[in-house]
Amino acid sequence: DAGITQSPRHKVTETGTPVTLRCHQTENHRYMYWYRQDPGHGLRLIHYSYGVKDTDKGEVSDGYSVSRSKTEDFLLTLESATSSQTSVYFCAISESPGQGTEAFFGQGTRLTVV
Amino acid sequence: RKEVEQDPGPFNVPEGATVAFNCTYSNSASQSFFWYRQDCRKEPKLLMSVYSSGNEDGRFTAQLNRASQYISLLIRDSKLSDSATYLCVVNTLRDTGRRALTFGSGTRLQVQP
Repeated sequence: DAGITQSPRHKVTETGTPVTLRCHQTENHRYMYWYRQDPGHGLRLIHYSYGVKDTDKGEVSDGYSVSRSKTEDFLLTLESATSSQTSVYFCAISESPGQGTEAFFGQGTRLTVV
Repeated sequence: RKEVEQDPGPFNVPEGATVAFNCTYSNSASQSFFWYRQDCRKEPKLLMSVYSSGNEDGRFTAQLNRASQYISLLIRDSKLSDSATYLCVVNTLRDTGRRALTFGSGTRLQVQP
């Protein structure tokens, strides 16, 4: 299995509080992604990174920020959590998004905002 | 319109059946295509890449039609263990000129004994 871990695996937080999710990789892959998965929506891209300090917004980036200060870590922050951000969050890594390149996923973080 | 669209299913088929899933994508600049499999409450895992000439891996066949912008997955001789959600994935060009993987919402397959 690819060396990718997410922490925490489960979290319950209150509306309005900041929350940070961590994705850590040991594969030295250049690309890292944060997705959220909700019933009926599949995986939706929140933010992604194509190198240290290089990030870009995905399709559902409002209310989220990211940081990548080193290759192995990609942090996702919910600045002020809302109930609509209750979801399962997946981190993924890949060498590139190109042909024949597999993306490996972490086991997911189940976040509940109450 | 979603960038990647799939029929959500569920597809309920008996063991041994052949089943096909289609997926359409909207961005003609998309370059790379994949099928991922996701088991309930687990992370997605790569099933197979999809190449322009079509490709096969055992009971699984993937095809790409660039002109019509769709991708297909055919599963022959379905097994109970094939029950899962199948995600169509496309490498799309973002507004920034960078590429990222965009997922369809998935097609659920239930193989019944």
